[in-house]
Amino acid sequence: EVQLVESGGGLVQPGGSLRLSCAASGFTFSSYWMSWVRQAPGKGLEWVANIKQDGGEKYYVDSVKGRFTISRDNAKNSLYLQMNSLRAEDTAVYYCARLTLYFHSSGPHRAYYYYMDVWGKGTTVTVSS
Amino acid sequence: DIQMTQSPSSLSASVGDRVTITCRASQSISNYLNWYQQKPGKAPKLLIYAASSLQSGVPSRFGGSGSGTDFTLTISSLQPEDFATYYCQQSYSTPPEYTFGQGTKLEIK
Repeated sequence: EVQLVESGGGLVQPGGSLRLSCAASGFTFSSYWMSWVRQAPGKGLEWVANIKQDGGEKYYVDSVKGRFTISRDNAKNSLYLQMNSLRAEDTAVYYCARLTLYFHSSGPHRAYYYYMDVWGKGTTVTVSS
Repeated sequence: DIQMTQSPSSLSASVGDRVTITCRASQSISNYLNWYQQKPGKAPKLLIYAASSLQSGVPSRFGGSGSGTDFTLTISSLQPEDFATYYCQQSYSTPPEYTFGQGTKLEIK
């Protein structure tokens, strides 16, 4: 069964740090881009970060740049999110998600589509004193 | 940055109704548009990718259309299990910063 399981959430004080983990199973983890997405209480989904298969490319939403670091260990089939200098506005459920590539070719036209087709159940991070 | 705006923010409908949710991008994104469904306390679920391709296992009453800046998600005949919040997401941007719309909450009338 294809599965993602997040862990590492909890209560942390403002300015503190936390490391989230996401364990992947049932698919070849090293073949996929991976993402972190968060959802603040009562709010919508917010994309947080993406990482390439080999970890060589990483991208972040502006609000976490310089504070959060996405990483992966393909030997352990695991994705991570190191969160430093945490703020109250980082309080959210954090989901990891698999990014799947769909390649479409029609004549000379080629397109590469990405979508998040596998999600974990999420882990809750609360930043509060 | 590409901004995604959904309308309406909330919608009341009845079982059997045909429902349309709209998503607008702040710039052209061709057809690099995904739709997700989320139920309370659950992770999002992929419904549609590439604007109109139905994800495996998703009922055929869900359909997507659009290109450029304007997109729609249509549910042809609402079922009780369809009451949820729906999000669009663009996957066009380079670097890959795949922003979501703010969501549309579909409620029972």
